[in-house]
Amino acid sequence: TQLLEQSPQFLSIQEGENLTVYCNSSSVFSSLQWYRQEPGEGPVLLVTVVTGGEVKKLKRLTFQFGDARKDSSLHITAAQPGDTGLYLCPPLGRLYFGRGTQLTVWP
Amino acid sequence: ETGVTQTPRHLVMGMTNKKSLKCEQHLGHNAMYWYKQSAKKPLELMFVYSLEERVENNSVPSRFSPECPNSSHLFLHLHTLQPEDSALYLCASSPGTGAENEQFFGPGTRLTVL
Repeated sequence: TQLLEQSPQFLSIQEGENLTVYCNSSSVFSSLQWYRQEPGEGPVLLVTVVTGGEVKKLKRLTFQFGDARKDSSLHITAAQPGDTGLYLCPPLGRLYFGRGTQLTVWP
Repeated sequence: ETGVTQTPRHLVMGMTNKKSLKCEQHLGHNAMYWYKQSAKKPLELMFVYSLEERVENNSVPSRFSPECPNSSHLFLHLHTLQPEDSALYLCASSPGTGAENEQFFGPGTRLTVL
């Protein structure tokens, strides 16, 4: 069962550009997590969003949880090569990660 | 430092070999997990252990055999693997298995089956 979809699947941009990736579902979740997985490493938790409409900021990264708690977005301002990685948004505790968005930021 | 370590980081093995992957967590968690990550596929949950008891087994072939001797250690024993089993194998741990628990991942073992 496809619990959620992430888009775009691949994104390749130049350093300094802004970008947004999306995580959408037809189901309502109590909370969502965002992970980043760098090449050859395990996923690392970035943030957990819990409240509908919630916005959390982590330096240049802004995470938003939809009002209906069915979707979430991640906006990166002035992307840097260190942001390169696979971004995953599993529902908390559901153990399903989806395909993620593979982001590549070129110097 | 994530608190979850995996060894070896890289492993190349033939189809007739027997090898084991090791995971250790230093976080005092009670639940541990094995995931498989193949190219172009989502992370696939393989096994879940809670307090050393297997609580989930997602239709994984018997050539993969997990072992959890205590809540800090998790092994994945491999035998007669196939080339399609080549993947990144990730271990994770969490305080418990309830929906409120966040998972912490190890760096993974990159396995190549020749």
